[in-house]
Amino acid sequence: NAGVTQTPKFRVLKTGQSMTLLCAQDMNHEYMYWYRQDPGMGLRLIHYSVGEGTTAKGEVPDGYNVSRLKKQNFLLGLESAAPSQTSVYFCASRVTTRTSGTYNEQFFGPGTRLTVL
Amino acid sequence: AQSVTQLGSHVSVSEGALVLLRCNYSSSVPPYLFWYVQYPNQGLQLLLKYTSAATLVKGINGFEAEFKKSETSFHLTKPSAHMSDAAEYFCAVSDQPGNTPLVFGKGTRLSVIA
Repeated sequence: NAGVTQTPKFRVLKTGQSMTLLCAQDMNHEYMYWYRQDPGMGLRLIHYSVGEGTTAKGEVPDGYNVSRLKKQNFLLGLESAAPSQTSVYFCASRVTTRTSGTYNEQFFGPGTRLTVL
Repeated sequence: AQSVTQLGSHVSVSEGALVLLRCNYSSSVPPYLFWYVQYPNQGLQLLLKYTSAATLVKGINGFEAEFKKSETSFHLTKPSAHMSDAAEYFCAVSDQPGNTPLVFGKGTRLSVIA
């Protein structure tokens, strides 16, 4: 199992450019999440999905869009990047099978470091 | 709504000394509680979790945490710090049975001095 993978690992954008971050998990998890991590702010939830074809807003959704067309993939899009979106982005997926020993644990990807100039 | 407060953004201990990282939570329903560790330039890794089975929870790398409902706390401890424990630690809460996303504290950076 690769677990949770994120593509790309690093990216530099200019203000106004767009990009998509890809998260993939091979653990058949229903729930997936996108967080951003900023110094002194911890992890803040951007958007999440409780299943294929469904998404919901988190704490800081403005400026981002997401899609969950396939169960294993969760995409985060920035339509018009701003310097305030410079951050490290983490994807996570969660076990929702109650019989699993890892029930309710969130598994994290390695992160994508994004800089917007 | 749930929330987590981690007291101290930076904690420094000597190698071999007790590690104590503080976490207080707020939840209107019985919580699930978690501690995650993040090593430099890596993602988050689960250290331990409380799911109501036992109030004293043992995790990886010698860490443990005790759930105290009366104090709404879930402090993380380790009897003897190692240099390899230097990392950032995050406390997180969700509801039971786990329908809401995890809410994270702002993190505590642990430094270990030789």
